[in-house]
Amino acid sequence: QSALTQPASVSGSPGQSITISCTGTTRDVETYNFVSWYQHHPGKAPKLIIFDVSERPSGVSYRFSGSKSGYTASLAISGLQAEDEAVYYCCSYSFSNVFVVCGGGTKLTVL
Amino acid sequence: QVQLQQWGAGILKPSQTLSLSCAASGGSFSNYYWNWFRQSPEKGLVWIGKISHTGITTYNPMFSGRLTISEASSRKQFYLTLRSVTAADAAVYYCARVPRNSNYMDAWGEGTTVTVSS
Repeated sequence: QSALTQPASVSGSPGQSITISCTGTTRDVETYNFVSWYQHHPGKAPKLIIFDVSERPSGVSYRFSGSKSGYTASLAISGLQAEDEAVYYCCSYSFSNVFVVCGGGTKLTVL
Repeated sequence: QVQLQQWGAGILKPSQTLSLSCAASGGSFSNYYWNWFRQSPEKGLVWIGKISHTGITTYNPMFSGRLTISEASSRKQFYLTLRSVTAADAAVYYCARVPRNSNYMDAWGEGTTVTVSS
């Protein structure tokens, strides 16, 4: 069981928008604005796409956006493209003896 | 553009020691923390521990007593040693970089699949 809870899978058609949720606790997501999101294509290195809840690293498409409300952070992807099909992980800084806690990953399927 | 290249033995027997290495190329070794993670279907993505370029370590308590993370900053490499492995340690292991004063991983290795079987 992962520290942060994500749906196992989501899907959408090309051009559509989807949202992936990431639920934590008061020790992590609720208290700190240090949620990050990673895109992982199998066999490749995970890629940072959102940090500090809603910041995009240079070079990451504007189609990716992040937000947070209470215990839940969200990743939104607009204008779905075939190359967006991947596993997405969320992580958060944690007020505990663990530097960062993460979710189990969400498999995005582009139909 | 930093790249993290990782390597190490992928098949172990119970009670053996897991040893992985990670080399950073294309960037500085200073001003970052160097981390290890692992991913399994049961537990998702789990942070294992980190080390600074000066050798200061922080470990996830779930690995305490079995874990050592070390570094060779002159070679821009860092290492994971996990002793007395069991089937529960089977996972894909990743190295990752965290910029100082931040809380996200801005570069990752491609992962090493570790199997533990007698």
